[in-house]
Amino acid sequence: DQQVKQNSPSLSVQEGRISILNCDYTNSMFDYFLWYKKYPAEGPTFLISISSIKDKNEDGRFTVFLNKSAKHLSLHIVPSQPGDSAVYFCAASDDYKLSFGAGTTVTVRA
Amino acid sequence: GAGVSQSPRYKVAKRGQDVALRCDPISGHVSLFWYQQALGQGPEFLTYFQNEAQLDKSGLPSDRFFAERPEGSVSTLKIQRTQQEDSAVYLCASSLETSMNFGPGTRLTVT
Repeated sequence: DQQVKQNSPSLSVQEGRISILNCDYTNSMFDYFLWYKKYPAEGPTFLISISSIKDKNEDGRFTVFLNKSAKHLSLHIVPSQPGDSAVYFCAASDDYKLSFGAGTTVTVRA
Repeated sequence: GAGVSQSPRYKVAKRGQDVALRCDPISGHVSLFWYQQALGQGPEFLTYFQNEAQLDKSGLPSDRFFAERPEGSVSTLKIQRTQQEDSAVYLCASSLETSMNFGPGTRLTVT
């Protein structure tokens, strides 16, 4: 059973506009949430994270929002750039183990 | 500095063959993880080491899968009698505290 779900397999956005990626989870024991970015033939690289005691974390163009009551988090990328084209994975942590969503492929159009 | 490295990057095995996948973590990283990523899916946890101790192997799909990290550094994931459903990318990750650093993965194709 998937504890972390990314319901949008793909997202296409114009350069300069905002990209919004969504993620839902079911396990209320998750205490830390992360977003990873993956290019083809490379491993996932850490992008941004948020603790369950916060509702927002911002790092440059990337902002993660957490809504614990809805068990939902989102990643905002603004402005989107061509180099942002990649697969984005949402992950949630319960102690040392990460549970991942299936990923959302983002394509930034020039 | 060097990141997590894995070898081989690609492996083709005939069904029934044994394979061994190697992971060199970042020097000094205590924690090491193996994940399996099937096509179109996110990575799924296989096993976790703290130094040489395998603290969690609950994600290993069957007893054909075996992982070791004898000296607390390099780790090997061994799959015996490979089956087609073992075809996936096997990712190794190491960490010091909270942030996990992934290697590039080994893509295993079982024919």
